[in-house]
Amino acid sequence: ETGVTQSPTHLIKTRGQQVTLRCSSQSGHNTVSWYQQALGQGPQFIFQYYREEENGRGNFPPRFSGLQFPNYSSELNVNALELDDSALYLCASSDQGRVNYGYTFGSGTRLTVV
Amino acid sequence: GNSVTQMEGPVTLSEEAFLTINCTYTATGYPSLFWYVQYPGEGLQLLLKATKADDKGSNKGFEATYRKETTSFHLEKGSVQVSDSAVYFCALSDPNAGTALIFGKGTTLSVSS
Repeated sequence: ETGVTQSPTHLIKTRGQQVTLRCSSQSGHNTVSWYQQALGQGPQFIFQYYREEENGRGNFPPRFSGLQFPNYSSELNVNALELDDSALYLCASSDQGRVNYGYTFGSGTRLTVV
Repeated sequence: GNSVTQMEGPVTLSEEAFLTINCTYTATGYPSLFWYVQYPGEGLQLLLKATKADDKGSNKGFEATYRKETTSFHLEKGSVQVSDSAVYFCALSDPNAGTALIFGKGTTLSVSS
């Protein structure tokens, strides 16, 4: 059983640019969630995708958007990058019918905005 | 709204000491509760979980009991090891508020030999 894979592992972008982060979910999982973890903080929920539709969103502006593909992999897109977007971005996958069993997280993408 | 509060760290212990990390929660429904661990430079790993009141989650010597009356889910381990040094996050998932995980701010544990 493969785990959750994220790419790239590290990224440096300039303020105002756009970035795309990618996530492959664990085999058998149909739901993908994205979290932002600022330094020294707990992860904050960005949004969740199930069956290629967004089915939950946290308190993040519209310049944070995403996609889920038929194979359940996902992308997180951030437009007009700001310095405060610098963080570890975590992808988590789960089986929508078994969320009480927990989520499997990837190792994250470290984004630095300069 | 739903929230999780953890004791602030860092927690510094000697090897074989007893560990307690406090976690309390606020939820409108009947949440599931989790402890995740994050080792340096890595993502989160599920450590243990409990899905209903009085359930005890356990894994790798760690335990936590879902206490509805005190809205708590404290993490304990009888004898810590240097390899337990990491950041520990308490989290909840409330089906009445979607399935997103809500995390506490994390508690850093440092164990010395």
